[in-house]
Amino acid sequence: EAGVVQSPRYKIIEKKQPVAFWCNPISGHNTLYWYLQNLGQGPELLIRYENEEAVDDSQLPKDRFSAERLKGVDSTLKIQPAELGDSAVYLCASSASPKETQYFGPGTRLLVL
Amino acid sequence: GQNIDQPTEMTATEGAIVQINCTYQTSGFNGLFWYQQHAGEAPTFLSYNVLDGLEEKGRFSSFLSRSKGYSYLLLKELQMKDSASYLCAVRGSNGDYKLSFGAGTTVTVRA
Repeated sequence: EAGVVQSPRYKIIEKKQPVAFWCNPISGHNTLYWYLQNLGQGPELLIRYENEEAVDDSQLPKDRFSAERLKGVDSTLKIQPAELGDSAVYLCASSASPKETQYFGPGTRLLVL
Repeated sequence: GQNIDQPTEMTATEGAIVQINCTYQTSGFNGLFWYQQHAGEAPTFLSYNVLDGLEEKGRFSSFLSRSKGYSYLLLKELQMKDSASYLCAVRGSNGDYKLSFGAGTTVTVRA
């Protein structure tokens, strides 16, 4: 069974540019998460989806970050415009339900110059 | 909110045993997870405890004491491939099942 797929794996952009990350969860997983992980830190939740509905986006900086999961499967996370402090790893995870174990993708490593 | 503490680094010798402690102070509790994360890779699920006691899975075991807000991950017969970061995560109980992670413990296994 395929795991969580993310692309791109690496992205380098200049500040003020837009950037987007893509996630394909494990087949059949209705719950999808986006996390931010800074170097030497644990992941921090940005947003959680139940099917196509964002049920927890309290930690998402909505002035520059947006996310969507239009058909309840794949999801994209966008930053516009990117700032230097956004350099981090963006992890996507999925689970069969909120009560079940979360499985993580390899992440997208973003460097903003 | 959640406050989760674990040591930053640990070093051990191949074949030895290492115990990674995790203490937490939470507003609610609905389970504790351990994940392993190799550098540049995804966190991978290791274990889950929701009741007090020891859960054993091969060379890895995890223990939980809810009254003490304490867990540990025990790695036995250490192998070089066990060199990684180990993340302790607590799940809340306010209906959102949110995972809050510690900063991770980097374990280095030496020959």
